Amino acid sequence: DTEVTQTPKHLVMGMTNKKSLKCEQHMGHRAMYWYKQKAKKPPELMFVYSYEKLSINESVPSRFSPECPNSSLLNLHLHALQPEDSALYLCASSPFPSGTSYEQYFGPGTRLTVT
Amino acid sequence: RKEVEQDPGPFNVPEGATVAFNCTYSNSASQSFFWYRQDCRKEPKLLMSVYSSGNEDGRFTAQLNRASQYISLLIRDSKLSDSATYLCVVTSTTSGTYKYIFGTGTRLKVLA
Repeated sequence: DTEVTQTPKHLVMGMTNKKSLKCEQHMGHRAMYWYKQKAKKPPELMFVYSYEKLSINESVPSRFSPECPNSSLLNLHLHALQPEDSALYLCASSPFPSGTSYEQYFGPGTRLTVT
Repeated sequence: RKEVEQDPGPFNVPEGATVAFNCTYSNSASQSFFWYRQDCRKEPKLLMSVYSSGNEDGRFTAQLNRASQYISLLIRDSKLSDSATYLCVVTSTTSGTYKYIFGTGTRLKVLA
């Protein structure tokens, strides 16, 4: 089973709201990722968690705050977003953050609209 | 120069045709390579890893040419259901952690 789940599927939020995106995997994977994808563009990496520690932050604005409460869960806390942050937010996981066997498996994404 | 480059297409081909996509990468230290497919408004799904010796999965064949720094995907006997965007992925390392570098994707439309 290579399933990564994400909630909610869709989210509409105002620029003053605070919301969170959730991601879960039960494959025992030790690396988890957040990506942002705009229409007709490839996914852009935002954050990488390796063994529940933040290992890569791709200079993401502080209005996006990731959290990894345990090895199965990954959250992305959103606050004071801008309309240009509207996008598909994808979570992914892989068995290990390094080595030769680390295909990433993506969740279905959360489609975020900031009004 | 972008780290990973793909022809964006679209490639419009009739059912049953054979179609090939190439992807070039700039970092010679890249170690792992993948092809993903992404349907409209869906998540990327792993199609296949790409190995130095080349690998085949049914109608799909992937090749890696390290000397020329490109990977390729060949689809034989195209089906309507093959219509999607095909994303080439190359890995890069930051502080010992691997990350994906995506190409811009190649759109394929298989026509009846």
